[in-house]
Amino acid sequence: IQMTQSPSSLSASVGDSVTITCRASQDIGAYLSWYQQKPGKAPKLLIYDVSKLQGGVPSRFSGSGSGTDFTLAISGLQSEDFATYFCQQSYGPPVYTFGQGTKLEIK
Amino acid sequence: QVQLQESGPGLVRPSETLSLNCTVSGASVSSGSSYWGWIRQSPEKHLEWIGNIFYSGGAIYNPSLKSRVTISGDLSKNHFSLSLNSVTAADTAIYYCVRVETTYGGVVLFDYWGQGALVTVSS
Repeated sequence: IQMTQSPSSLSASVGDSVTITCRASQDIGAYLSWYQQKPGKAPKLLIYDVSKLQGGVPSRFSGSGSGTDFTLAISGLQSEDFATYFCQQSYGPPVYTFGQGTKLEIK
Repeated sequence: QVQLQESGPGLVRPSETLSLNCTVSGASVSSGSSYWGWIRQSPEKHLEWIGNIFYSGGAIYNPSLKSRVTISGDLSKNHFSLSLNSVTAADTAIYYCVRVETTYGGVVLFDYWGQGALVTVSS
């Protein structure tokens, strides 16, 4: 199963709201998670089961979608949100695949 | 607090075997409540799942790597290991060990990550 994110990069300002899209090459139901990665750090789990926030993740993050199209939304961007975001599907064992990433940069 | 730490050589010669260990603290590798795995990230930042090991000792692997990879666990030392043979430059990556969880809905996610170990394949 291929996961395609768009855009590949995105520029925004503190306080803006942004949306990142992840499209699966086939129906994956709700088997989708999102991760945030900052430079030099390991990815961090943000959202699982499409829309459930991992503990400690601010409520400005939200996820939605089902089937093949999914969205990560961040409302009221904070400086610490500028990072790279990855989606990941777990519908298709024996392979769990990631999107190619979306880099969110400060405008 | 669950913590994972990778260790192993940072440089491996082509055709040789890459070996990494992951030491776990704050959780038991032998616990039936969690699985453990390896993920790598290429220099181009692409993330690739390598495989998972279960508390029973069984493992599943990415089919693209299955012929070359082995993940094993040492319950007495609370760590697990990755072995990847016949490496080439394409195996150069940051290797992360992870804890694998499965939600009630069946979603498989990676909720704890090590800091990562950069492995370069070069002569």
